Amino acid sequence: DAGVTQSPTHLIKTRGQQVTLRCSPISGHKSVSWYQQVLGQGPQFIFQYYEKEERGRGNFPDRFSARQFPNYSSELNVNALLLGDSALYLCASRELGGGETQYFGPGTRLLVL
Amino acid sequence: QKEVEQNSGPLSVPEGAIASLNCTYSDRGSQSFFWYRQYSGKSPELIMSIYSNGDKEDGRFTAQLNKASQYVSLLIRDSQPSDSATYLCAVTSSGSARQLTFGSGTQLTVLP
Repeated sequence: DAGVTQSPTHLIKTRGQQVTLRCSPISGHKSVSWYQQVLGQGPQFIFQYYEKEERGRGNFPDRFSARQFPNYSSELNVNALLLGDSALYLCASRELGGGETQYFGPGTRLLVL
Repeated sequence: QKEVEQNSGPLSVPEGAIASLNCTYSDRGSQSFFWYRQYSGKSPELIMSIYSNGDKEDGRFTAQLNKASQYVSLLIRDSQPSDSATYLCAVTSSGSARQLTFGSGTQLTVLP
């Protein structure tokens, strides 16, 4: 079975630009969460979606937004990029009613210049 | 601010030894606890999950949970060089989103 997939794998942007990251969950998983991991730190929670609705939001500015589609895939958008947005962006999927375990995709490494 | 604290390391052990990784958490309402392994440049990979007090063993890995002390640990027996990685402790929040709160990780090096 395919795991969580994310695209693109790497991305280089300049300050002020906008970026869209994509995630497809494990087949049968309806919950998708986004995390940001900066170098040397653990992942930090950004958003959780299931049944196409936002179910949780971490301490991130409004420049960060996300959505979930009917096929349970998800997009994370970041506007007005700052140098500090450079990080590994991780998507995790979870099977609703199947416990709390979240499985991570390979991530998108974003570099903002 | 709900926090998860880990020994920052780095931790070095010789091949074949037991590696002990520790984690404390502040949210008493947390119910689910996880250890993830992360190789450099890669994403976190689930190693163990534990939900109730006591020990849980899976191969060379043993997770220990003590909710009264708000303490989680991971023991790696017969450590191998391939175990060299950063180990992340994660705790599910007590809120409705059930998001994971991570520690900053412990870097483990197993010396051949």
